[in-house]
Amino acid sequence: RKEVEQDPGPFNVPEGATVAFNCTYSNSASQSFFWYRQDCRKEPKLLMSVYSSGNEDGRFTAQLNRASQYISLLIRDSKLSDSATYLCVVNIPTSGTYKYIFGTGTRLKVLA
Amino acid sequence: GAVVSQHPSWVICKSGTSVKIECRSLDFQATTMFWYRQFPKQSLMLMATSNEGSKATYEQGVEKDKFLINHASLTLSTLTVTSAHPEDSSFYICSALFGYEQYFGPGTRLTVT
Repeated sequence: RKEVEQDPGPFNVPEGATVAFNCTYSNSASQSFFWYRQDCRKEPKLLMSVYSSGNEDGRFTAQLNRASQYISLLIRDSKLSDSATYLCVVNIPTSGTYKYIFGTGTRLKVLA
Repeated sequence: GAVVSQHPSWVICKSGTSVKIECRSLDFQATTMFWYRQFPKQSLMLMATSNEGSKATYEQGVEKDKFLINHASLTLSTLTVTSAHPEDSSFYICSALFGYEQYFGPGTRLTVT
């Protein structure tokens, strides 16, 4: 099983729709979780950090389920500009330090 | 927010030459920086973890003699691709750790001819 797994998509949704992505992780000792968005040929940009049960920022909500070992990202009222790849990142303690494991990303296309 | 710059943004070099890429944290000090490589339509691959004042930690399969990392100050890490070959052509991205969050530089697109 991969350490961090995401559905690669693409998710094609109409403008205004609500869309949710899931990300599962295998290491129960994982401490913190992040969602990044990456546009084509650009660097990842931090969207949200999740340290406890969840986080909300405008149209974006992230939720953490430690029992089932997944985090989700919900986007409400999708905009064309939300089209991007969404990367799930999990912080895993290892050998006295931390390692950041990236999922392969979920592609979202918001259609007019 | 935390800003990370990277230079150059793109570079074309001939096979056999070396290329140095700089990663700077502009408004914060970063004890830890990371270097990634990304091939088209693939996810980021961690190459190494750079710690200020100590040797970098390389991921399995990454040659430390080919990808030299120097993190001499709290705001600067450099990656030197030595004796570059066409298969080293890729998008190289650095990130700096601010608390538990990584902030990425804009990346360097390297093309080796």
